[in-house]
Amino acid sequence: GNSVTQMEGPVTLSEEAFLTINCTYTATGYPSLFWYVQYPGEGLQLLLKATKADDKGSNKGFEATYRKETTSFHLEKGSVQVSDSAVYFCALGKGFQKLVFGTGTRLLVSP
Amino acid sequence: GAVVSQHPSRVICKSGTSVKIECRSLDFQATTMFWYRQFPKKSLMLMATSNEGSKATYEQGVEKDKFLINHASLTLSTLTVTSAHPEDSSFYICSARGRDENIQYFGAGTRLSVL
Repeated sequence: GNSVTQMEGPVTLSEEAFLTINCTYTATGYPSLFWYVQYPGEGLQLLLKATKADDKGSNKGFEATYRKETTSFHLEKGSVQVSDSAVYFCALGKGFQKLVFGTGTRLLVSP
Repeated sequence: GAVVSQHPSRVICKSGTSVKIECRSLDFQATTMFWYRQFPKKSLMLMATSNEGSKATYEQGVEKDKFLINHASLTLSTLTVTSAHPEDSSFYICSARGRDENIQYFGAGTRLSVL
């Protein structure tokens, strides 16, 4: 079946450091891929998405490229801020089927 | 972007009582709504999927008589936790999806504490 694997957290960085959160997936066909962010005590917000191979999703300085050859959708940001501290979820969805989420990666950014 | 409102954000109730959580899509028609449960520092666990006007589809292991889901309109779904017990304490999150897209928009969540 479909699945998503994320790197274990927490990821601890200093402000302005480069961020990478790894995400790989297993799926048949061509799923859409998503990154959601959850701030403390809140629900999930869609951060970015990509719907086909080689698509790059971007938002708020975050980027992720849909790599079919490596079945990956790694999240990157060139310079993190304290306000980026949150839990990040990678997810995949095929058509109108339910989303499959990774386990989430907590990011902690210190001043 | 699409906005999903979830209410209440926090509720404390006594064991044995029932609690209703509302999920509304404010600026789009939500043909499908999803209800999740999230344990501390864990990922989301899908409880059920509901399509407007039809019965909800529950995931394996979720008690449909305990977690009643109603999706009576294209903008509102409710989750009622019946006869709540302390083990039902959790963070419940809803999401909604429009007719022609596969993006889910999430509510802010409801923290339920059962004493």
